[in-house]
Amino acid sequence: DAGVIQSPRHEVTEMGQEVTLRCKPISGHNSLFWYRQTMMRGLELLIYFNNNVPIDDSGMPEDRFSAKMPNASFSTLKIQPSEPRDSAVYFCASTGTGIQETQYFGPGTRLLVL
Amino acid sequence: AQTVTQSQPEMSVQEAETVTLSCTYDTSESDYYLFWYKQPPSRQMILVIRQEAYKQQNATENRFSVNFQKAAKSFSLKISDSQLGDAAMYFCAYKPNFGNEKLTFGTGTRLTIIP
Repeated sequence: DAGVIQSPRHEVTEMGQEVTLRCKPISGHNSLFWYRQTMMRGLELLIYFNNNVPIDDSGMPEDRFSAKMPNASFSTLKIQPSEPRDSAVYFCASTGTGIQETQYFGPGTRLLVL
Repeated sequence: AQTVTQSQPEMSVQEAETVTLSCTYDTSESDYYLFWYKQPPSRQMILVIRQEAYKQQNATENRFSVNFQKAAKSFSLKISDSQLGDAAMYFCAYKPNFGNEKLTFGTGTRLTIIP
């Protein structure tokens, strides 16, 4: 089975540019999560969706961040405009219903904003 | 609010020996899940083991086992016969069974394996 797929795996951009991170959850999973990991703040949940609907976006840092899930197999996290403090590893994770209740993580996107 | 505490920022163990990583949590819920994730240098977050709070039996996955003490709100991870590939950051995480699906993570323990 394919796991959670994220693209790109690495992104280097300049301050002020728009950045779009992509995620394909595991087929059949109905919840999707976006996390950010930095040395200073550890793992932070940015937003999560259930059945394509945003449920909790309280972790989204500011208006520069936006996330969408147009269908069950695709989600994007956009940063516009990007800033150096956005440099981090961004993870996408998904989970299904039922007894498993386990979040499976993608490989992450390492973002560097210069 | 739920919190997860990992009080050991770093641990080291001799190869082939056993090591235990500590985790405590705070919650008012009675039904929840607990997880240990491993993050090697590749940064991939890999599920190591999970425990349902309603189960009294401690979960085991090959060389990995947990000591789940519900009353004490403690969830430690024991790694037996440590191998070089076990070197990683280990994160403890909590999730309530109902309602919000958010995982609450601890700050992690960096495990070093000494050859």
